[in-house]
Amino acid sequence: DIVMTQSPDSLAVSLGERATINCKSSQSVLYSSNNKNYLAWYQQRPGQPPKLLLYWASTRESGVPDRFSGSGSGTDFTLTISSLQAEDVAVYYCQQYYRTPVHFGQGTKVEIK
Amino acid sequence: EVHLVESGGGLVQPGTSLRLSCAASGFTFEDSAMHWVRQAPGKGLEWVSGISWNSGTKTYADPVKGRFTISRDNAINSLYLQMDSLRVEDTAFYYCAKDRCANGECYWFDPWGQGTLVTVSS
Repeated sequence: DIVMTQSPDSLAVSLGERATINCKSSQSVLYSSNNKNYLAWYQQRPGQPPKLLLYWASTRESGVPDRFSGSGSGTDFTLTISSLQAEDVAVYYCQQYYRTPVHFGQGTKVEIK
Repeated sequence: EVHLVESGGGLVQPGTSLRLSCAASGFTFEDSAMHWVRQAPGKGLEWVSGISWNSGTKTYADPVKGRFTISRDNAINSLYLQMDSLRVEDTAFYYCAKDRCANGECYWFDPWGQGTLVTVSS
């Protein structure tokens, strides 16, 4: 299985400041034939189901604000919120879909400082 | 608008069975692979099972293999999860989720339903 590990487990950021979440996979999720990273990011607000934010590591889902961006390749990935807003308080998960069974990271809780 | 509504959760004793349902609307259900993902209260996300558009491919996570069965009825836009031999560790919110790919099974998920809570306790 490809295990996903996120860091940190939680972080507190001031409104308008940058939040950075890291995700590491135990094996590469880069598929060489199409040069795509099989990695998604989800946001789960309190009391809500998860919502897809990004796929292919850096492609923003329709309707997702451009303050959310994804980067990285192979085994190391980053989700960046460029200017934290109050509505961004949530738990964020990365997920690999390179190989089944798919696995999620343990989640990173983002709060307002 | 895509809408997924789960039902069938509840409080059951260890060793018993439960059947979850997911009613889908707002998209061509028969064209889409579907999945169940669960989340123990206060914990992270765990993919449970997936099914292809025509039920030809069914996949399961190791913790539920042999105990859970996924199925679908494209005639009535419904997804199911039959859960047998339930264990305390199966306690979780169970989410129905649409496979994001237009063709085939890609195993990333959007959107998700609101979830139904299954509690296994004596």
